[in-house]
Amino acid sequence: DAKTTQPNSMESNEEEPVHLPCNHSTISGTDYIHWYRQLPSQGPEYVIHGLTSNVNNRMASLAIAEDRKSSTLILHRATLRDAAVYYCILSQDNTGKLIFGQGTTLQVKP
Amino acid sequence: EPEVTQTPSHQVTQMGQEVILRCVPISNHLYFYWYRQILGQKVEFLVSFYNNEISEKSEIFDDQFSVERPDGSNFTLKIRSTKLEDSAMYFCASSELRVSLAKNIQYFGAGTRLSVL
Repeated sequence: DAKTTQPNSMESNEEEPVHLPCNHSTISGTDYIHWYRQLPSQGPEYVIHGLTSNVNNRMASLAIAEDRKSSTLILHRATLRDAAVYYCILSQDNTGKLIFGQGTTLQVKP
Repeated sequence: EPEVTQTPSHQVTQMGQEVILRCVPISNHLYFYWYRQILGQKVEFLVSFYNNEISEKSEIFDDQFSVERPDGSNFTLKIRSTKLEDSAMYFCASSELRVSLAKNIQYFGAGTRLSVL
């Protein structure tokens, strides 16, 4: 299973941007980069995904390195409700399963 | 907004008993999944299900586990004889049918907390 590496934890101040990094040096050409998050006591929630180009949606932006060996999830203005565990996951074409790592626990301070 | 619904939210059972965890996926979705999360640990994939059969299963999903889609709306996970170590949050997820599985976006339910005593 393709692996990703994320920092265990990060802190941010409310209403400031947050950049959550992820390394995936063993990514293959057809792997999609997905980000999910898990708020306290809830199920995982889809955030964003991409293949090669940077992506934007109403929740976040995803910046993908040119060599695809790393990516960054960007929350443009963190709110207290964004405090969660953020997972960077490589999704492979031959399987639909998601392999969760430990993720990055984001703490947002008021 | 459509959502995945799981019942019950909390199930308490005695060791050795059978339990059935229920899920109602989003109505036009065709891929279904079960994951579990033991307290304080990672979310772990158990099984995926498509076209009325198991597509993939993990090593955790042994003979004690089974899945079924008994009608057009429900998706169930059965544990035949529960063990203490089956205590966990169990999440159901569903996704649309896409040409590439890698593009699948999975929508998760809020989970069922299973406590085995």
